[in-house]
Amino acid sequence: DIQMTQSPSSLSASVGDRVTITCQASQDISNYLNWYQQKPGKAPKLLINDASNLETGVPSRFSGSASGTDFTFTISSLQPEDIATYYCQQYANLPQTFGGGTKVEIK
Amino acid sequence: EVQLVESGGGLVQPGGSLRLSCEASGFAFSSFEMNWVRQAPGRGLEWISYISKSGSIIYYADSVKGRFIISRDNANNSLYLQMNSLRAEDTAVYYCVDGAVTWGQGTLVTVSS
Repeated sequence: DIQMTQSPSSLSASVGDRVTITCQASQDISNYLNWYQQKPGKAPKLLINDASNLETGVPSRFSGSASGTDFTFTISSLQPEDIATYYCQQYANLPQTFGGGTKVEIK
Repeated sequence: EVQLVESGGGLVQPGGSLRLSCEASGFAFSSFEMNWVRQAPGRGLEWISYISKSGSIIYYADSVKGRFIISRDNANNSLYLQMNSLRAEDTAVYYCVDGAVTWGQGTLVTVSS
C-alpha cells in the first residue's frame, strides 16, 4: 500500500497568514493526488484534484503543487472560514490512501 | 442537484450485521465508479471499498476484506455495503463517494454491547 505522510498534524496561524501543508508519498503516484477540506460534522469537500487543479468554485487562495513524491497545499491568506482539517489522498493505486490530516486553527 | 444519501446506520452488537444503502440522484449513477470511506470518531479518513461502474470489479481494504460486501444496483441508482462480523473498531461514520467530488452526509455505525 502507498503511505501518505502528511505534516504538520496541526497548526495555528493568524488571519492573513500563508499556510502550507505537505504530503509525501511512499512511492511514485504521478500527480494522482487530491486535497480535501473537512469541517466538524461535515463530509469532506474536494478542493484540489490532480495535485494542482482547483475545483470549480473553490477560492483562488487555495493552491497545490507537486515535486516528485512531495506535494504541497497552500492557503495564501488564511481566512476565518478556512478553519478545518485538511487531508491529502492518493488515487494512483488501490487502496486509495489518505494522509493523517492537518487541523488548522486561528491563532 | 447532485446528491448521495446514505442510510442504514445504527447501533449493533459485536459480531452482528448491518446493511448500508446509498441512494444517488442528480447524476448518471451508472457512469461512476463508487467507493465507501469511513471515519472513526475523532480520527482520519479510511477508504474501505471500491466498485466499478458495472460492478464487475471490486476491491476492499484489508481491514474489512472477508467481512464486508459492496454491491450496486444501477437500475435503482443505489450503492450498498453489507457489513458482517462487526467489531468495535468498525465504529465510524460511513460515507459513500463517487470518484472524489460527491460525498454523502454519512451514516453512523456504532458497534457496542
